[in-house]
Formats: sequence, C-alpha cells, structure tokens
Amino acid sequence: QVVVTQSPSASASLGASIKLTCTLSSGQENYAIAWHQQLPEKGPRFLMKLNKDGSHKKGDGIPDRFSGSSSGAERFLTISSLQSEDEADYYCQTWGTGIQVFGGGTKLTVL
Amino acid sequence: QVPLVESGGGVVQPGGSLRLSCAASGFTFNKYGMHWVRQTPGKRLEWVAFATHDGGNTNYADSVRGRFTISRDNSKDTLYLQMNSLKTEDTGVYYCTKGNEIDYWGRGTLVFVSS
Repeated sequence: QVVVTQSPSASASLGASIKLTCTLSSGQENYAIAWHQQLPEKGPRFLMKLNKDGSHKKGDGIPDRFSGSSSGAERFLTISSLQSEDEADYYCQTWGTGIQVFGGGTKLTVL
Repeated sequence: QVPLVESGGGVVQPGGSLRLSCAASGFTFNKYGMHWVRQTPGKRLEWVAFATHDGGNTNYADSVRGRFTISRDNSKDTLYLQMNSLKTEDTGVYYCTKGNEIDYWGRGTLVFVSS
C-alpha cells in the first residue's frame, strides 16, 4: 500500500527559504511525485513533477523560486525568497496502477 | 481552452443520487486513464475512482465501491461519475484528473450531501 506523509504545518519568515518534505512509504522509494499548491479559498494548482533522482518539471508559470529535490524516500519542495502569497497548503501526490495517493498537506505560514 | 470542466454537482439528501460529468478538451482524451478525486470540507484530497483509457477497466476507493460508477464516452470526450446511495461523508468538491501526475486541476464541482 502506497502512503505519503507530510508534516501538517511549517512556517518561515518573509524572504527566507523553506524546505517541505514528502515521505514515501517503504518499498516506494523509486516513485515520482507531484507537488501542488492550494491558496486560501482557491482550488489546487500543479507546481511540479519530481522524480526519484531529483529531476523535476514545473508547471506553466511556476516561479524559479520553487524547486524540487529527492533523497531516498523523501521528496522535497524548496521555496526560496518567501513571499506572503506563498502562504498556502502544499500537497504531495503519487500514483500506482489505477490509483492516486495524496499526502495530508502542509500548511505553510509566512511570518 | 480549458482542459477539464466538471459539472453536475449540487445539494442532495442522504441516499440520493447525482451524476457528475467532466468535459475534456485540448488533448487526446482516449489515450489517457482518468480519475475522479475529491476534496473534503476538511481539505483532505481523496482519490475516488479510475477508468482506463478505453473504460475497460475501473478501480474504486473502498469508501465508494458499490455505490459509485465511473464511465466515459470517448466519442464525446467526457468522463462521468454516477453516485448513488450518497452519504454525508461524500460531501466535497469533485475534480476529474488526467493520467498519473495531476498537471491540471479544473474548478471542480461541489457535492453537498445533507438532510
């Protein structure tokens, strides 16, 4: 069974950087994931697809401040030069044959 | 062109039925497996159902199996979700999504199950 785990909350100061983590369950270390952002009162938006080797492909219009990396079963989303509009929920998503699997989301607060 | 447009949501009493539709455009619909995903009022994202590119194989989350039916009409580039025996816990915004990584989210359609 594929499970992805995220910390429920994170915070960082305006202008700082933050690294959000998505952890894949044992046996799924080779899985790619996708990161999604959900601003308050909005629907989700695709940020990037992130592969096990850290290579990633971002969605249209996603700023360079957003990047991805990987280490073992962990997939990271790094946001640099944090802006107030980055305050949002961030979800990771992976997939298996005929299923989608979502993390519980991380609520990012920009201080 | 908006790739995926969901419709058919509404307010329904427990035990009732709804049929959701998802109109696809801008890509070759019949080449992609399609999913329904929902977001609960608590903001949790849940996978609901999947259909292969030709609709020949389907899969369901345990919470909806036996009550929901996913189908597609490739001649109309449209995905469907027939929802029967609705429960209050089915309340949420329903999205259709394409393929594996979800690279596009539509606006979704709201389903509210309440007496």
